[in-house]
Parts: sequence; C-alpha cells; structure tokens
Amino acid sequence: EIVLTQSPATLSLSPGERATLSCRASQSVRSYLTWYQQKPGQAPRLLIYDVSNRATGIPARFSGSGSGTDFTLTISSLEPEDFAVYYCQQRDKWPITFGQGTRLEIK
Amino acid sequence: EVQLVETGGGLIQPGGSLRLSCAASGFAVSGNHMTWVRQAPGKGLEWVSVIHTGGDTFYADSVRGRFTISRDNSKNTVYLQMNSLRAEDTAMYFCARGPNSDSWGQGTLVTVSS
Repeated sequence: EIVLTQSPATLSLSPGERATLSCRASQSVRSYLTWYQQKPGQAPRLLIYDVSNRATGIPARFSGSGSGTDFTLTISSLEPEDFAVYYCQQRDKWPITFGQGTRLEIK
Repeated sequence: EVQLVETGGGLIQPGGSLRLSCAASGFAVSGNHMTWVRQAPGKGLEWVSVIHTGGDTFYADSVRGRFTISRDNSKNTVYLQMNSLRAEDTAMYFCARGPNSDSWGQGTLVTVSS
C-alpha cells in the first residue's frame, strides 16, 4: 500500500502568517492527491482535489501543488478559522490511504 | 442541498454485527461513488470501503471478508454491514460522496467492547 507521510506533525503559527504543509508518498500517486481539513467534532471537509483544484467554496488563500511523490498545501495568510488538522489522501492505487495528519495550531 | 445522514452505530460486543446506514438527499447514490471512512478516537482517518456507480466494491485489508458495502437505490441509501466486530473497529464511521469525497455526513459512532 502507498504510505503518505505528512510533515510537520504539528505546525504552530500566528494568524496572518503563511502555512506550508507537506505530504510525501512512498511511490508516485500521479495527480490523485487530495487535501482535507478537519476541525474538532466535525467531519472532514474537502479542500483541494487532484493536487491543485480548490473545492467549491474554498477560499483562494488555500492552494495545492506538487507532482509524483511530493505535494504541498499552502495557506497564504492564516485566518483564525484555519487552525485545524489537515490530511492528505491518495486515490491512485488501492487501498486508498490517508496521511497521519498535520495539526495547525495557534502560536 | 446535498446531505448525508449516518445511523446505526452503537455499543456492540466483540464478535457481533452491526449495519450502518447512510441516507442521502439532494443527489442519487446510484450516480456517485460512495465511500465509508472511519476514525478511531483521537486518531487519523482510515478509508474503509467504496461502492462505485457500476456496483464494483473495494475494501481495506483490515475489513475485507468481514464488512460488506451495498446500496438501495430506491431508498437512496448506502449500507455498511459489519460482522465479526473487533475492538479495533471502534471508531466514528463517516460516509462520503464521490471520488473526492466532496460531501460528508456527521458520522455514527461504533464502540466494540464487552
């Protein structure tokens, strides 16, 4: 199975700062890389699909990039509501797998 | 408006069975890939199963042979039949729509314990 490794595990930043979250795959996942946001007590929310496509209603401050095995989620200027856990997911090969998550916390 | 509502969770003894339901509104489950994802308490997300529009089904290794995904188009509902439950199946179970899981339900909690 494809292993997704997210880094860092925890990222401490202040509102207004830029956040860069990484997701590395154990083998190529082509462009089938997705990012989700999850807040406590809530279901995950789709942010970015197929590496760089923002889902409906997702603000432009969220962007995705990368290819093959290395991917990045960037939040250009953090808003208070952005502090949450972020997961990457690959759907290129069975089984679908998730990374272990990056917790974005307020510094 | 797209909505997914999961039901059927609860406390069950090891070795027991449960059937989870995911009732959809605002779209047809028959026209979408439908996925189950679970999250153990305090842990990350784990993909469980998917049923494709054509009816093909796929499972995580950890549940294959014990869980069965299905759908009832007339009820616009997707099911997850869970047999031979183990303590490690304890989790919140979410259903989601589409290959990118663009809509999620609120989840239903399954606790496997004696």
